Amino acid sequence: AQSVSQHNHHVILSEAASLELGCNYSYGGTVNLFWYVQYPGQHLQLLLKYFSGDPLVKGIKGFEAEFIKSKFSFNLRKPSVQWSDTAEYFCAVRGVGDDKIIFGKGTRLHILP
Amino acid sequence: EPEVTQTPSHQVTQMGQEVILHCVPISNHLYFYWYRQILGQKVEFLVSFYNNEISEKSEIFDDQFSVERPDGSNFTLKIRSTKLEDSAMYFCASSESSSGNTIYFGEGSWLTVV
Repeated sequence: AQSVSQHNHHVILSEAASLELGCNYSYGGTVNLFWYVQYPGQHLQLLLKYFSGDPLVKGIKGFEAEFIKSKFSFNLRKPSVQWSDTAEYFCAVRGVGDDKIIFGKGTRLHILP
Repeated sequence: EPEVTQTPSHQVTQMGQEVILHCVPISNHLYFYWYRQILGQKVEFLVSFYNNEISEKSEIFDDQFSVERPDGSNFTLKIRSTKLEDSAMYFCASSESSSGNTIYFGEGSWLTVV
């Protein structure tokens, strides 16, 4: 069965710090990978996605993620965070041929001004 | 950018009452979903719907839940007899196809069961 693990439940950083949020998945075949962000009081928004090709994908607001197939990982990175990045971040996986996506438990990111 | 729209944004209902949550998926999308997020917990898959029938459902989606696409645009989630533990944010989502496409989420409907 598909599963997604996000290792950090709550991360607190100062502005301008670098960010890396871990995500590992479990699935027996080819996957599509996603990071969604949920700002306080708002809905889920797509940050970036990986379907195929270059394993380093760039998303909105300066975020990027790298798919490392051998490690079943899809970590999210940003070189310099801003206060406005305070949100909850969800890693998600979808098996190719499957309908649904499965979410990780989310990481609450709190940026100190 | 096209959006998935949901109504109501917030509903308070008494335990045992029926609730219908409404969604208008993106117009050319063919796959529709409901997810829920209990406060402080992860986003959980409830059901997927394609070609006018349920294609997959989770253990959470028991007999008290049902989905319907009553016309060409709406996609509803009905909870027949609400329980306190049904209090959650319910997200509707849609996708153009299954794999290889992004799933777009609506803003959610907060359901509070009292």
